[in-house]
Amino acid sequence: GQNIDQPTEMTATEGAIVQINCTYQTSGFNGLFWYQQHAGEAPTFLSYNVLDGLEEKGRFSSFLSRSKGYSYLLLKELQMKDSASYLCAVRDRDYKLSFGAGTTVTVRA
Amino acid sequence: ETGVTQTPRHLVMGMTNKKSLKCEQHLGHNAMYWYKQSAKKPLELMFVYNFKEQTENNSVPSRFSPECPNSSHLFLHLHTLQPEDSALYLCASSQDSSLGANVLTFGAGSRLTVL
Repeated sequence: GQNIDQPTEMTATEGAIVQINCTYQTSGFNGLFWYQQHAGEAPTFLSYNVLDGLEEKGRFSSFLSRSKGYSYLLLKELQMKDSASYLCAVRDRDYKLSFGAGTTVTVRA
Repeated sequence: ETGVTQTPRHLVMGMTNKKSLKCEQHLGHNAMYWYKQSAKKPLELMFVYNFKEQTENNSVPSRFSPECPNSSHLFLHLHTLQPEDSALYLCASSQDSSLGANVLTFGAGSRLTVL
């Protein structure tokens, strides 16, 4: 089966930077996704990486190293509304998408 | 309406009841999915339909029965469930499940409690 690991919880202060790591072991690789899920709401798409390197989208950036089976999501200039669960998901050689258990980020004033 | 809509948002049922969850998408997508989300656990893929054909059944017990009458609608029929089936059931859609950059759009989920 697939194995995707990410920290369970992280806490940071408003205005700070937080980096959420995700490591994976899958049978083949066809892309890595990050989703954001606020409590009681639908997960929403944040980013997609298929090649090594950094993808930047405003305050959020996502990095991928395929050789290391590693990704991170970087959240800059944290705002209270960024308090949510962040889900790492990897697509394997058969295009099957597997999710990590999610990282709950709490932003404090 | 836009996006992915799930009904009901909350459902409480006994183990002998029969109920159904409904999902509708207004995005023109061709693939639809059912996921189970339990607290502190990864999202578990249950079923995938691509162009109305079921392409994946992830070893789901037969007490869960999906139905996809067209590309816009997806149902999950529930029968003789167990308390451990209590969870948030998420529906999602995407352009095509066989594409690499296949971004899922999720509904807000149906919170199921089995007594």
